[in-house]
Amino acid sequence: QQQVRQSPQSLTVWEGETAILNCSYEDSTFDYFPWYHQFPGESPALLIAIRPVSNKKEDGRFTIFFNKREKKFSLHIADSQPGDSATYFCAATLNTGYQNFYFGKGTSLTVIP
Amino acid sequence: DPKIIQKPKYLVAVTGSEKILICEQYLGHNAMYWYRQSAKKPLEFMFSYSYQKLMDNQTASSRFQPQSSKKNHLDLQITALKPDDSATYFCASSQIGGAEQFFGPGTRLTVL
Repeated sequence: QQQVRQSPQSLTVWEGETAILNCSYEDSTFDYFPWYHQFPGESPALLIAIRPVSNKKEDGRFTIFFNKREKKFSLHIADSQPGDSATYFCAATLNTGYQNFYFGKGTSLTVIP
Repeated sequence: DPKIIQKPKYLVAVTGSEKILICEQYLGHNAMYWYRQSAKKPLEFMFSYSYQKLMDNQTASSRFQPQSSKKNHLDLQITALKPDDSATYFCASSQIGGAEQFFGPGTRLTVL
């Protein structure tokens, strides 16, 4: 069973638009939800993360919206820039100390100038 | 200076052979992980280790064996290599109780 589902698989937006990436999860005990981004040839790097005590987390142009009841969370990238073009992975885990991250399959984002 | 070192960066092996992927972290973390990334299964969790003890194993095959000789080392031995094992293998680490996992640069394995 796939623990984390991510959509869309690919997304193209114009520079300045808001990109919206979506994820849902299965296990209601998950309590930590990060978004990682990965540029070609590089390793994943943490972008922003949220815990279920909040339903929103902002960091500059990046915002996570979290809906615990529906077990969904999304990443909004405001004022998208060409440099944001990358693959974005959502993940979920039960933060027991060590974490087994369940990753979504990724969204390939392209921002057109 | 790189905080997580993975060696080698690229590795080519023949079917049936055995290889060891090296990972060392210098972040002072006490938990380490292995992930595999391929076109078929992006970012698949394999193992987690804490204080040199196996905490979780999501890899069905016994051909994959993690080895931890030191707290900041977690190598991955792969035996009887198959073409399907071709992937980029990422080592990661975190602090127990912390949240962020840091990923190493990866080892790209190609099995011919």
